[in-house]
Amino acid sequence: RKEVEQDPGPFNVPEGATVAFNCTYSNSASQSFFWYRQDCRKEPKLLMSVYSSGNEDGRFTAQLNRASQYISLLIRDSKLSDSATYLCVVSKGFGNEKLTFGTGTRLTIIP
Amino acid sequence: DTAVSQTPKYLVTQMGNDKSIKCEQNLGHDTMYWYKQDSKKFLKIMFSYNNKELIINETVPNRFSPKSPDKAHLNLHINSLELGDSAVYFCASSQVAGGPYNEQFFGPGTRLTVL
Repeated sequence: RKEVEQDPGPFNVPEGATVAFNCTYSNSASQSFFWYRQDCRKEPKLLMSVYSSGNEDGRFTAQLNRASQYISLLIRDSKLSDSATYLCVVSKGFGNEKLTFGTGTRLTIIP
Repeated sequence: DTAVSQTPKYLVTQMGNDKSIKCEQNLGHDTMYWYKQDSKKFLKIMFSYNNKELIINETVPNRFSPKSPDKAHLNLHINSLELGDSAVYFCASSQVAGGPYNEQFFGPGTRLTVL
């Protein structure tokens, strides 16, 4: 079983729609959770950290369910510029621990 | 203004050769990493250094040897290159800030093709 599992997609979504991605992780010792975004042929960049109580950043909302070992990302009012691969990432935390990446979910926003 | 830089950006070489990739960060971070992204886009940690000391070594063949001359630089040397080494190699850095949420900043990647 992969440490971090995501639906690879692709998700093809019309502009303005709401889209949700899910991710599960297997290591119950994981302490830190993130969503990274990777554009085609570019490096991954942090989109947002995911906190236990859930958190929102503009059109993006992230949720964490530790009991189910499940993380989600919701994008509202999607824009063409949201087209990218979204990587679910977990870590055991404590600063310089390695990041464990999911395989990513590819999102394309259609005009 | 580049935060994490890598050279070269592209590397095409023959099987059996030895090659190096260089990484530098100007963010003042104390931890640097090497990741490999394979053809299926799966990104996996290879090594991590904290203040020039190796702290993570993820079952990477010993043909791969990282070197950190100072905390701003982390180079990767690869001996006897094999076809399966073809991938994009990303360098990253982070600062241990005392909490669990430390953003890692990635370089632009080095696309290695072994022929």
